[in-house]
Amino acid sequence: AQKITQTQPGMFVQEKEAVTLDCTYDTSDPSYGLFWYKQPSSGEMIFLIYQGSYDQQNATEGRYSLNFQKARKSANLVISASQLGDSAMYFCAMNPVGGGSEKLVFGKGMKLTVNP
Amino acid sequence: DSGVTQTPKHLITATGQRVTLRCSPRSGDLSVYWYQQSLDQGLQFLIQYYNGEERAKGNILERFSAQQFPDLHSELNLSSLELGDSALYFCASSGFPSKGTQYFGPGTRLLVL
Repeated sequence: AQKITQTQPGMFVQEKEAVTLDCTYDTSDPSYGLFWYKQPSSGEMIFLIYQGSYDQQNATEGRYSLNFQKARKSANLVISASQLGDSAMYFCAMNPVGGGSEKLVFGKGMKLTVNP
Repeated sequence: DSGVTQTPKHLITATGQRVTLRCSPRSGDLSVYWYQQSLDQGLQFLIQYYNGEERAKGNILERFSAQQFPDLHSELNLSSLELGDSALYFCASSGFPSKGTQYFGPGTRLLVL
């Protein structure tokens, strides 16, 4: 079974600063994907970034980067130059690759507040 | 805009009733997933369809059922509703095979009174 752990219930960051959101995972699947989603107060789930377990380099998407440490089973999200619009819930998720179903398993999420 | 559409956006109904939630995946995506988000259970996978066939089942109650139609849209049917079914229901879609990125619709917020 897969498990995602997000231990930070909430974080505060000043606008324009960088922030790291923690995520650890556990799985017995040999190949898997790791994802981060953003959920603003309006409720939609917005895909941010993906990292494959066999990708050699850490994923980056604009201001988002994923600090993937396979041996430590961590997949932390780094947001550079925070903006007020980054205030939201953030969910780490994973799924197996090649196993027939790619259902996502989510962590409990963490709330990020960006202060002006 | 993810390209996934869900209707209705909000639904208020009474216990014991039946409702149908509708989802249209992104153009070209064959896989549709349904998730439930509630305060106590978090985000939970319910069921997946691929090109009209059920592919995986998660924590879906027997009172709930789903299907995917030939045009690839999907419906989630919730019956004999209970107060505890109040939640945000998401549909997501992905291409398959792919790296598995799922794009979510805006969700249907269900309130059972």
